[in-house]
Amino acid sequence: GQNIDQPTEMTATEGAIVQINCTYQTSGFNGLFWYQQHAGEAPTFLSYNVLDGLEEKGRFSSFLSRSKGYSYLLLKELQMKDSASYLCAVTASGSGNTGKLIFGQGTTLQVKP
Amino acid sequence: DAGVTQSPTHLIKTRGQQVTLRCSPKSGHDTVSWYQQALGQGPQFIFQYYEEEERQRGNFPDRFSGHQFPNYSSELNVNALLLGDSALYLCASSLQGATGANVLTFGAGSRLTVL
Repeated sequence: GQNIDQPTEMTATEGAIVQINCTYQTSGFNGLFWYQQHAGEAPTFLSYNVLDGLEEKGRFSSFLSRSKGYSYLLLKELQMKDSASYLCAVTASGSGNTGKLIFGQGTTLQVKP
Repeated sequence: DAGVTQSPTHLIKTRGQQVTLRCSPKSGHDTVSWYQQALGQGPQFIFQYYEEEERQRGNFPDRFSGHQFPNYSSELNVNALLLGDSALYLCASSLQGATGANVLTFGAGSRLTVL
């Protein structure tokens, strides 16, 4: 089977750092994505990991451990506009590159002043 | 360069009715995937179209059907609507053969409410 788990909700303070974890179990693995989604809007791409390690992009970083089936998204210097849902998604081998992603339920992050 | 466009943005239907949602992919993309996102949940894969054929399908009943046209645009049809079909329907386009980070581009979605 295929399963992706991430916390439902998190709260953090403006200017702080927050880490959103994601664990996955899939029949195969071809890469892990993180998306940001503001209420009522489309998901927007944040990061992609296919090899183990840390990918850094400005205030956002994403880490992957394939042996542990684990990823996290790290958000630094939090801003109010970072309040959104963060979606972890994986591509399973066999689905190739064809756009079939398996999503977690999303983590709703609330940033407070 | 236009991204993925979807229409309508919002619509309200009653149980038992039928609905058609439309999607135009990003320029240069040839594959369209449809996702259903219920409130508070992550998107769930419905199906994918490439070369005007359904290539992959998720765990959705036959009430959900689709079509892809020669210009790569796509329609999602849902028959015999149920209250549980109320959701945000997302279209995502991609280029067959592409890999890595730039696989998918999402549209803004069509919000369907079934009363």
